[in-house]
Amino acid sequence: GAGVSQTPSNKVTEKGKYVELRCDPISGHTALYWYRQSLGQGPEFLIYFQGTGAADDSGLPNDRFFAVRPEGSVSTLKIQRTERGDSAVYLCASSTGTSGSPQYFGPGTRLTVT
Amino acid sequence: KQEVTQIPAALSVPEGENLVLNCSFTDSAIYNLQWFRQDPGKGLTSLLLIQSSQREQTSGRLNASLDKSSGRSTLYIAASQPGDSATYLCAVRTGANSKLTFGKGITLSVRP
Repeated sequence: GAGVSQTPSNKVTEKGKYVELRCDPISGHTALYWYRQSLGQGPEFLIYFQGTGAADDSGLPNDRFFAVRPEGSVSTLKIQRTERGDSAVYLCASSTGTSGSPQYFGPGTRLTVT
Repeated sequence: KQEVTQIPAALSVPEGENLVLNCSFTDSAIYNLQWFRQDPGKGLTSLLLIQSSQREQTSGRLNASLDKSSGRSTLYIAASQPGDSATYLCAVRTGANSKLTFGKGITLSVRP
């Protein structure tokens, strides 16, 4: 597709389980970002990839969260031992990587931890 | 630490009114500022991006201005329509490809 896509659109999991969220950026975009949005809040930064490497992972809340982008395209956000507080919408964005270029967002994955 | 504030949290106006949405940020050393629209249950749609060297950007009925020294941006919507009802978020970037720091958004309702 032409835009950023994310799968699944919704994920319900039990506390303590492991989940993976996938992001397909716009073709050719080298920069990829993950954000998390709680109800009534603006998105909060988690991690930024330039190509295959994490250029900034300062937003990851703890070591239960991990993200990869092995081939510089698709990225997977992985959450271990999920907690109810992890419930949120997880947004992915991509950009061309050109200095100051706009970020384009996907529709998000709504994660609910019961 | 950069903080972005958008006040009020919600706004209701009659159709046809011109309106201004405000955004303020604490650190004026920004690279650019981006305005987004978010419909309920949806992702973010980019509306306008203003580079730090620019004063304003226009797209159709939307005009965004930036006063970097005072830490403020405004989004002007002309002749508002019910279809403009959504949450509008502003976000600032402090480096060339760095993260965006978002405000909480302003939920706009345009009454027919």
